[in-house]
Amino acid sequence: KAGVTQTPRYLIKTRGQQVTLSCSPISGHRSVSWYQQTPGQGLQFLFEYFSETQRNKGNFPGRFSGRQFSNSRSEMNVSTLELGDSALYLCASSFETGIGYTFGSGTRLTVV
Amino acid sequence: QQQVKQSPQSLIVQKGGISIINCAYENTAFDYFPWYQQFPGKGPALLIAIRPDVSEKKEGRFTISFNKSAKQFSLHIMDSQPGDSATYFCAAQAGNTPLVFGKGTRLSVIA
Repeated sequence: KAGVTQTPRYLIKTRGQQVTLSCSPISGHRSVSWYQQTPGQGLQFLFEYFSETQRNKGNFPGRFSGRQFSNSRSEMNVSTLELGDSALYLCASSFETGIGYTFGSGTRLTVV
Repeated sequence: QQQVKQSPQSLIVQKGGISIINCAYENTAFDYFPWYQQFPGKGPALLIAIRPDVSEKKEGRFTISFNKSAKQFSLHIMDSQPGDSATYFCAAQAGNTPLVFGKGTRLSVIA
């Protein structure tokens, strides 16, 4: 059974640019959540999608957005990148909200 | 406001010893308490989880102890091995709300 796949694994972007990250959940999983992981703040919740609808949203600025497609694949977008956006972005999928999250290996974003 | 407080930040344990990581929470609506293990370059992986209707859950060398009245829970790793060296996160969830994570404990098991 394939796990959660995140692409790309690594990204280097310049301040002011925008970036799109992709997440393919485990087959059959309808819930996809995104977390930002940094050494100082740990794992912080960005948003959750369930059956193409945003179900929950964390306390991040509007520059962070996401969406989910009919096949449950999800993308998150960060516009007008700032140095502080450098982090590991993790996607997690589950059949129902939150229970038994399976995380992907993440996308390491570096903003220079 | 940090909803789940985890300690210690780092821990060094001798091989064969017991590793203990503690977490405390304030929100009494939390009803699901998982622990995650993360190795470098990987995402967190679910290790073991507990609900507040039981005080202890054991899976192999890993045990969660849960104290509802104190609003605390802890992870015990018995017979710690070098392969257990990783970062451990406690988390909590209330109903269908997102998981809230502690800030993590970096465990090093030395021979």
